[in-house]
Amino acid sequence: GAGVSQTPSNKVTEKGKYVELRCDPISGHTALYWYRQSLGQGPEFLIYFQGTGAADDSGLPNDRFFAVRPEGSVSTLKIQRTERGDSAVYLCASSLSPRDDSYNEQFFGPGTRLTVL
Amino acid sequence: AQSVTQLDSHVSVSEGTPVLLRCNYSSSYSPSLFWYVQHPNKGLQLLLKYTSAATLVKGINGFEAEFKKSETSFHLTKPSAHMSDAAEYFCVVSAIGNEKLTFGTGTRLTIIP
Repeated sequence: GAGVSQTPSNKVTEKGKYVELRCDPISGHTALYWYRQSLGQGPEFLIYFQGTGAADDSGLPNDRFFAVRPEGSVSTLKIQRTERGDSAVYLCASSLSPRDDSYNEQFFGPGTRLTVL
Repeated sequence: AQSVTQLDSHVSVSEGTPVLLRCNYSSSYSPSLFWYVQHPNKGLQLLLKYTSAATLVKGINGFEAEFKKSETSFHLTKPSAHMSDAAEYFCVVSAIGNEKLTFGTGTRLTIIP
């Protein structure tokens, strides 16, 4: 079946511009996650959605970053007034609804490589 | 708070020899621990997971890891390396019931023919 897909695969923008990154999770997965992977580093958590609501947004670095998931499926990560330091690979993952006594595997998409010039 | 430390940023082994990728963790709670692999231009893939059941965990492609609470370690091993194992490997921790994954900085595994 289809995995997690992300568009675009690459995005080049200029400092100060606005960008949107899209994530299509696996059908039936109610949980959706965004991570950011800078060069030479491991992915860092940004935000987690359970259905339409953001259950944990503690990883968003500042108020220039915002994410939505209006219908509980597709999610969009929005970055305002981009800075060169925002350049990274943005990863999306989805899973079945997590339970307190178990772990549901997070399936990752291929990522969007964002370059801010 | 939780974190993982991957002790080697780069490991090189000859094809057919054993692989050891080292990981130490720190967690305030009973941790869940994972190893993910990232091949070039491909998404992250789960290799194996530990969630408080058996301490020796077997994963895909012949990899396994042992949870050692006394040493706060979760090292990844494979008896015989294959060329297709060349990739970036991440040790990951989370708390049971906490959906956020915390990744290590990664270990790049190179296989020498």
